Amino acid sequence: DTGVSQDPRHKITKRGQNVTFRCDPISEHNRLYWYRQTLGQGPEFLTYFQNEAQLEKSRLLSDRFSAERPKGSFSTLEIQRTEQGDSAMYLCASSSGQGQAFFGQGTRLTVV
Amino acid sequence: AQSVAQPEDQVNVAEGNPLTVKCTYSVSGNPYLFWYVQYPNRGLQFLLKYITGDNLVKGSYGFEAEFNKSQTSFHLKKPSALVSDSALYFCAVSLSGTYKYIFGTGTRLKVLA
Repeated sequence: DTGVSQDPRHKITKRGQNVTFRCDPISEHNRLYWYRQTLGQGPEFLTYFQNEAQLEKSRLLSDRFSAERPKGSFSTLEIQRTEQGDSAMYLCASSSGQGQAFFGQGTRLTVV
Repeated sequence: AQSVAQPEDQVNVAEGNPLTVKCTYSVSGNPYLFWYVQYPNRGLQFLLKYITGDNLVKGSYGFEAEFNKSQTSFHLKKPSALVSDSALYFCAVSLSGTYKYIFGTGTRLKVLA
């Protein structure tokens, strides 16, 4: 499978714990995006990388959130001190140039 | 502010009938327009896009969409619906030269046998 891969698919965590998600983009894509989707809503932009550089962070991304893309390949999204409001589907996407983004299947986070 | 509106939360259509899922947008500049489909507990699958050129765009699974600049719309259509088309459909816009999408809230399509 040469699509966008996300791990884990599901994560249940207790409030206050830290969680980390991984995204492996399509190998030739230099652009990588993270989105968050809550029930009944469309995905909302969180952050964007071009190669290893994080070029923009949404105001939705509080100081508890951090994303990295070392060496311009896979990316990680970490949430520290999780809150119940962080429960959502976290989607990763990748693209090349101005082509459409290809999305992974997402990581569903439940904070209890 | 840039925005995308999908005015219908749900669209019901009988199998074999034509379907339309509506989308309007509000952006400054030249928009790139997209339709994605989402099945339960899955990511988004690309259906089609409009960048420039012919206003009628054909995409995957027999879907097409018509770009109407004067009405700022990009409605998704299919001549004959299938039960397997039942899913959540998202319209999205990005500005030329930028890299992030603004999504609508989604429209749930139910195709009834």
